[in-house]
Amino acid sequence: NAGVTQTPKFQVLKTGQSMTLQCAQDMNHEYMSWYRQDPGMGLRLIHYSVGAGITDQGEVPNGYNVSRSTTEDFPLRLLSAAPSQTSVYFCASKEGLLGELFFGSGTQLSVL
Amino acid sequence: KQEVTQIPAALSVPEGENLVLNCSFTDSAIYNLQWFRQDPGKGLTSLLLIQSSQREQTSGRLNASLDKSSGRSTLYIAASQPGDSATYLCAAEANQAGTALIFGKGTTLSVSS
Repeated sequence: NAGVTQTPKFQVLKTGQSMTLQCAQDMNHEYMSWYRQDPGMGLRLIHYSVGAGITDQGEVPNGYNVSRSTTEDFPLRLLSAAPSQTSVYFCASKEGLLGELFFGSGTQLSVL
Repeated sequence: KQEVTQIPAALSVPEGENLVLNCSFTDSAIYNLQWFRQDPGKGLTSLLLIQSSQREQTSGRLNASLDKSSGRSTLYIAASQPGDSATYLCAAEANQAGTALIFGKGTTLSVSS
């Protein structure tokens, strides 16, 4: 099993550009989530999904969209990138609400 | 709102020492608590998961305990090694359906040889 796979690993955007961060897991996990990690702020939840077709907002959802058309994939879309979205983004998944959370290796995003 | 705090923010110890990392949470109504390790520039690796009905979990030189009534968890590392140097994060699963883990900001551990 590859676990949780994130692409790309690094990305540089200009203000106003849009892009999609990809996340895929091959563990048949129901639950998937996106976090951002910033110095001094720790990990903060952006969006999460408890199954295909079901998504909900986390602590910092503004400026981001998600969809969950399949169990395996949970892409994160930045509609109009802003410098405040410069961060490291992590995707994570787990089996059921009470399972162990597994993380991808992260995407380092810089918005100029 | 659940808040998770980790003290100290940084810790330096010589190789071979036993050490304890602390994690506290404000809402004792949690489903579980999970400890992670993060190496610089890397993702998070799960170390131990403690369900709310459990008091502790062990894996090798690591032992994590959970005391819901006092809102505390500890991660005990025995016979520390330089390879243990990393940031350790704890996260509490709030007791609400469809929610997610709330993370502390971590303790950065440095073990010198």
